[in-house]
Amino acid sequence: GDSVTQMEGPVTLSEEAFLTINCTYTATGYPSLFWYVQYPGEGLQLLLKATKADDKGSNKGFEATYRKETTSFHLEKGSVQVSDSAVYFCAQYYMNRDDKIIFGKGTRLHILP
Amino acid sequence: DAGVTQSPTHLIKTRGQQVTLRCSPKSGHDTVSWYQQALGQGPQFIFQYYEEEERQRGNFPDRFSGHQFPNYSSELNVNALLLGDSALYLCASSEGQNYGYTFGSGTRLTVV
Repeated sequence: GDSVTQMEGPVTLSEEAFLTINCTYTATGYPSLFWYVQYPGEGLQLLLKATKADDKGSNKGFEATYRKETTSFHLEKGSVQVSDSAVYFCAQYYMNRDDKIIFGKGTRLHILP
Repeated sequence: DAGVTQSPTHLIKTRGQQVTLRCSPKSGHDTVSWYQQALGQGPQFIFQYYEEEERQRGNFPDRFSGHQFPNYSSELNVNALLLGDSALYLCASSEGQNYGYTFGSGTRLTVV
């Protein structure tokens, strides 16, 4: 069945470092791909999305490109801040079916000042 | 414009008890989905309601049931609580297909 796999955490970086969080997916069709962020004690916020192959989603300095050939959607940011410390979830679902969201297990990110 | 509202924010229940969680969707949204997020895990889909009917269901036992009201708000009921039901329960609403989901802040359930 469809699934999402993301790199294990925690990931600890110094402020202004470059961030990559790997995410790969398996799908029977062509789902939309998402990154959600969860700050301590809060629910999920949509960070960015891409709805088809080669689309690049971006928001708040974060970027991810939908790569069909490698079934990947890696999250990147050029210069992280302490305020980026959170748990990041990669996810997929078929928007045109209003389908359930399939999430990865999440990657906890710690940014040191 | 209020987003998705969930209540209560926290609660503690004893094994074997029953619990009801509530969700008010974002204004204009007619579809409500529920997710269970265990500690250190990603959210897992429980079920989805549309037009007051359960439209999809994930791999959860019948102890988990739900309801959607004519105003699109929804309840999640869990009977015969187990320690393993302790989790953050998230509600998400959407406006039909192609518009994406908005999540609430969740209800943290602790079963002791």
